[in-house]
Amino acid sequence: SQQGEEDPQALSIQEGENATMNCSYKTSINNLQWYRQNSGRGLVHLILIRSNEREKHSGRLRVTLDTSKKSSSLLITASRAADTASYFCATALYNNNDMRFGAGTRLTVKP
Amino acid sequence: EAGVAQSPRYKIIEKRQSVAFWCNPISGHATLYWYQQILGQGPKLLIQFQNNGVVDDSQLPKDRFSAERLKGVDSTLKIQPAKLEDSAVYLCASTPLAQETQYFGPGTRLLVL
Repeated sequence: SQQGEEDPQALSIQEGENATMNCSYKTSINNLQWYRQNSGRGLVHLILIRSNEREKHSGRLRVTLDTSKKSSSLLITASRAADTASYFCATALYNNNDMRFGAGTRLTVKP
Repeated sequence: EAGVAQSPRYKIIEKRQSVAFWCNPISGHATLYWYQQILGQGPKLLIQFQNNGVVDDSQLPKDRFSAERLKGVDSTLKIQPAKLEDSAVYLCASTPLAQETQYFGPGTRLLVL
């Protein structure tokens, strides 16, 4: 069964705008990871945030984690057409055990 | 460094036939995962190996699916017999020991007719 649920299911924005995707999960976790998947390809790891962290940054990406609400958000700033992809959150226990992915958010960035 | 290799990239079979997928992880990666991704959904973990031992196979339909990683390096996933609902992309991923970042292969797209 899948653990996370992403919201929205689909998002369409103009180049240069910011994109925010949310992920909710059900059980306690050790870490939460965000992955990107371009059409027809494998997933690429973007960023990992641990259960004792609240916010992390990586380039144009900003991830927050609220363990009390069992939710996370991924913000992509100054989006580009190349950011068009599906974005998935994945939760895991210690040692990446019990890895669970959500259904994903399909992001379209229009040039 | 070379990435995770998977073969074949595409496979079309009829229901009740057997099929096998192969994965070669990044050299030195101790942990290997197989996922099933049905169209429009996120990946679902089928089995997780650490070296040649199974860590988690709780979501593997063991009546028809099997997987092995005999020498702790490459791995095969088999479906026997296949059903229509097995049509999906089968993804392999690997991680170094004690790390969490997964490196994914390109996947094998299976169509069961």
